[in-house]
Order: sequence, then C-alpha cells, then structure tokens
Amino acid sequence: QSVLTQPPSVSGAPGQRVTISCTGSSSNIGAGSYVHWYQQLPGTAPKLLIYDSSNRPSGVPARFSVSKSGTSASLAISGLQAEDEADYYCQSFDGRYSDWVFGGGTKLTVL
Amino acid sequence: EVQLVESGGSLVQPGGSLRLSCAGSGFSFSSYDMFWVRQAPGKGLEYVSAISSNGDYTYYASSVKGRFTISRDNSKNTLYLQMGSLRGEDMAVYYCARATSLGVTGSHYFDYWGLGTLVTVSS
Repeated sequence: QSVLTQPPSVSGAPGQRVTISCTGSSSNIGAGSYVHWYQQLPGTAPKLLIYDSSNRPSGVPARFSVSKSGTSASLAISGLQAEDEADYYCQSFDGRYSDWVFGGGTKLTVL
Repeated sequence: EVQLVESGGSLVQPGGSLRLSCAGSGFSFSSYDMFWVRQAPGKGLEYVSAISSNGDYTYYASSVKGRFTISRDNSKNTLYLQMGSLRGEDMAVYYCARATSLGVTGSHYFDYWGLGTLVTVSS
C-alpha cells in the first residue's frame, strides 16, 4: 500500500485530455511537501517529467501540466499522443515517516 | 552529458550479501545528494536510501534499515549500496538517481536516473 494513491490505469484516445490523480495526506502533500512526477516508458528507466509541482525539464512538452489542492495533486496530459503510453508516478516527502515516497503508479493506455 | 551507470546486480541466495555500484559522469558528482530507488518486477518505484553530497548524512527506508548501507567515494565519482541479509522482497531493479533539492527538507526530485541493475534473490 503506497503512501500516495494513484489510479492503477487510465486511458484516452489520441488528441484527448486525461488526468492522473495522486492522493496523499496531511503528512505529505497536505503538509506542503513538493510533488514531482515521472514518466516510465515500457522497459526503460524513469524520467523526470515535472518537478516542484509545475516546472518541466527541457524537452518536456507543455501538454503536460499539474495542479495541486489540499492533500492531492493531478497530472494532466492534453493532446494525447501514442508516445505518451507509459507508467506515471508521483513522488513527494512524508514528514511522518521522514521518507521520500512514491505513488503506486498509473499505466496510461492510448487507445 | 550526465550519465549514471549501475553495476553489481546478480543472483544471490536469501540471507546473502551484495554490493551495488553507480558510476557518475558528466556532472560534479560531489555536489549532489544521491539516491537508490528500486522497482520489484511488475511493481512501482520504492525509495531505498539516500546520501548527502559529502557523505555525512545517510537515510534509509524502514524496509532496509539495518540491512543496507549507502556510501559514496567522491574521488571516484561512485555511489555504493552494500546489501545484507537479503530477502525475496529485495528482488528488484535497483536504480541510482541524482537528486536536486529545492532547499527544503525532503524537497528532492530525481533529475537523472541510471538504467538500473537487477538483483535476484533466490535459492
């Protein structure tokens, strides 16, 4: 059971917009801990997608955006493309456990 | 170009030991905190251990505390993970990751990852 909860899977057709939620608690996201997001393409290492809740590393398109409210954060992907098919993970820090924590991951399928 | 290359993964019996290495290049290795993150087969990512840039501070997930030891040799640009009393649940791909802090405790994000090294625990 992950400290951060993500839906196991989401799907969407090319061109559509999908969102992936990341639900935490008052000891992590709700406490103001930063939330970061990673993309893991099949058979590859994770790659940083968004950090500090809203910053994209060079090369990450603006189709990827995040929002945060209370104890949750969400990753939105607009203009869905086949190449977006991957696993997505949120990550934060939990003050109760003094540990860096990941969500369980969400598999995005592009229909 | 930033590169992280892990090595040392192999098949080990339950209760055994193993040392993983991660060689960094293309950046000032001694300026960055470094992490180990693992991924069991078909599962998600799990934080394992962290070490400060100068090696003075180390951190461990509760699942490995007392069994694993993280260290680094900045003169060799290399990160290590000494793993002991290995269990079946330790079987995973182990990634080393470079971490950047936003200046607040726990604000690290992992901006570069290695390709990983597979640790198999089985008799």
